[in-house]
Amino acid sequence: AQRVTQPEKLLSVFKGAPVELKCNYSYSGSPELFWYVQYSRQRLQLLLRHISRESIKGFTADLNKGETSFHLKKPFAQEEDSAMYYCALGMFSGGYNKLIFGAGTRLAVHP
Amino acid sequence: DAMVIQNPRYQVTQFGKPVTLSCSQTLNHNVMYWYQQKSSQAPKLLFHYYDKDFNNEADTPDNFQSRRPNTSFCFLDIRSPGLGDAAMYLCATSIGTSGTYNEQFFGPGTRLTVL
Repeated sequence: AQRVTQPEKLLSVFKGAPVELKCNYSYSGSPELFWYVQYSRQRLQLLLRHISRESIKGFTADLNKGETSFHLKKPFAQEEDSAMYYCALGMFSGGYNKLIFGAGTRLAVHP
Repeated sequence: DAMVIQNPRYQVTQFGKPVTLSCSQTLNHNVMYWYQQKSSQAPKLLFHYYDKDFNNEADTPDNFQSRRPNTSFCFLDIRSPGLGDAAMYLCATSIGTSGTYNEQFFGPGTRLTVL
């Protein structure tokens, strides 16, 4: 069965510290992995996707198929990074796509 | 701005009283989704429309129905809400094109309270 696991409900760091938000997935097919973010009082929005291999707002994530992981990293956290982060597994079938979300990790960056 | 709009933002209903949540989009996307998100849990896909083609998730209760009268609007109907249906309901849209995954755009959600 397809599943996304985010083991930490809350990650609390100080400004300038490195951040790693963990995500593991279970999927028998070829995975497409995403990170979505929800800032306070804003809607859920895409942060980055593994196929783009890009850095967004200083965040990067590498897909590790051997470890079935897609951890989100940032070398120096900023206060504005405080938000809820959701890892998601994408499956495409028949002209539409489906996301399976993890339960989310709340990142709190303290001054 | 092109966007996904959900009304109302907060909905209170009584146990067993039918309720309808609304979603509209100005993105002209083919696909519209409804997710249920309970407190501290992952958003869970209930069903989605690809144009007029309705696709129900296998574990979505029969109590939940959906209508899409046109490209812009999609409704979530809960026929007999129970206390366990209290949740945030998220609407999302995406372009439906073959061979590639497309970003989903989310509305702000409707928080449903069942008394």
